[in-house]
Amino acid sequence: SQTIHQWPATLVQPVGSPLSLECTVEGTSNPNLYWYRQAAGRGLQLLFYSVGIGQISSEVPQNLSASRPQDRQFILSSKKLLLSDSGFYLCAWSQDSPLHFGNGTRLTVT
Amino acid sequence: QQQVKQSPQSLIVQKGGISIINCAYENTAFDYFPWYQQFPGKGPALLIAIRPDVSEKKEGRFTISFNKSAKQFSLHIMDSQPGDSATYFCAASHGGGNKLVFGAGTILRVKS
Repeated sequence: SQTIHQWPATLVQPVGSPLSLECTVEGTSNPNLYWYRQAAGRGLQLLFYSVGIGQISSEVPQNLSASRPQDRQFILSSKKLLLSDSGFYLCAWSQDSPLHFGNGTRLTVT
Repeated sequence: QQQVKQSPQSLIVQKGGISIINCAYENTAFDYFPWYQQFPGKGPALLIAIRPDVSEKKEGRFTISFNKSAKQFSLHIMDSQPGDSATYFCAASHGGGNKLVFGAGTILRVKS
């Protein structure tokens, strides 16, 4: 069966520090991978998606970037965090429907 | 730009009652409408989904009603239980892809 791992579960970082969140998927090959951000009262916002290694599409201009160095690995990064980057970050994968989410990372920028 | 509008923002229902959450969409190209259930500290999990070729889909106590002409769809939870207390998200996409557009979510609390 397929599983998705996302870490860390929680993270507190100072403004201006770098960020790296990692997501890996097991039990499938060549999945579509996604990063979503969840803000209170605003639902889930798609940040990036990838259909293959090195192929990244950005949905929203922002302080974040994504990379896919391996088929089942998706990384969300920032060089300098802003207060507005605080939120709940969710990685997801799919092959056709439906979309499967990880358990998220709660990021607090102080 | 919010393409899927969800209401209400929060909902309190007595145990055994019916919970109803509504969503409206704008993009007529949408052809896949899932509902996700999220418990605190967890990622959303697919609950039930519908495509526009049917007007209703039922799975256990959960039913999606779909009105293509009105561009609306709703989730009905029959015999609501305290374990159903969670945040519910409607979503939509087109072309069979999974670039889902999500509603803002509804926090459901079922009182025992």
